[in-house]
Amino acid sequence: SQTIHQWPATLVQPVGSPLSLECTVEGTSNPNLYWYRQAAGRGLQLLFYSVGIGQISSEVPQNLSASRPQDRQFILSSKKLLLSDSGFYLCAWNPAGQGHSPLHFGNGTRLTVT
Amino acid sequence: GQNIDQPTEMTATEGAIVQINCTYQTSGFNGLFWYQQHAGEAPTFLSYNVLDGLEEKGRFSSFLSRSKGYSYLLLKELQMKDSASYLCAVVDSNYQLIWGAGTKLIIKP
Repeated sequence: SQTIHQWPATLVQPVGSPLSLECTVEGTSNPNLYWYRQAAGRGLQLLFYSVGIGQISSEVPQNLSASRPQDRQFILSSKKLLLSDSGFYLCAWNPAGQGHSPLHFGNGTRLTVT
Repeated sequence: GQNIDQPTEMTATEGAIVQINCTYQTSGFNGLFWYQQHAGEAPTFLSYNVLDGLEEKGRFSSFLSRSKGYSYLLLKELQMKDSASYLCAVVDSNYQLIWGAGTKLIIKP
């Protein structure tokens, strides 16, 4: 069966510090991978998605970046965090070529920038 | 622009029935999802509708009318564990997911 792992679960970082969140998927090949952010009481905002290794699409201009160094690994990074980067970050996947199939989410990372 | 509207918050009583509405205006339509999200947790998939009509899954049912740009999620025999946010999301013509802000459902004993 397929599983998705995301870490860390919580993170408190000072303004201006770097960020690296990691997500891995097991039990499937060539998944579509997504990074979402959810502000408190808000809906999901798509940050990045990837349909293959090295293929990253950015949805929102910001100081975040994403990389997909391996087929089932998706990394969200920042060189310098802003206060506005605080939020709940979610990694998700669905099968390749099936844009209508449900997303499966990781447990999320709650990031607080102080 | 693309838009999904859901009520911000609803309150219902344990054992009762509640209907959560979702209206959408999107560039094309390739299906509508409902997800449940408990506080502090990730969303989990509830239902997917692409054709008009009612899909029933145990205590939960989801309805779609494409001509009206409208869906609802019906929860029967409410339990305290159903207290959560319910997210409506539409797949547009580019197979991008457009998300609503979610409806927070509060269940009272």
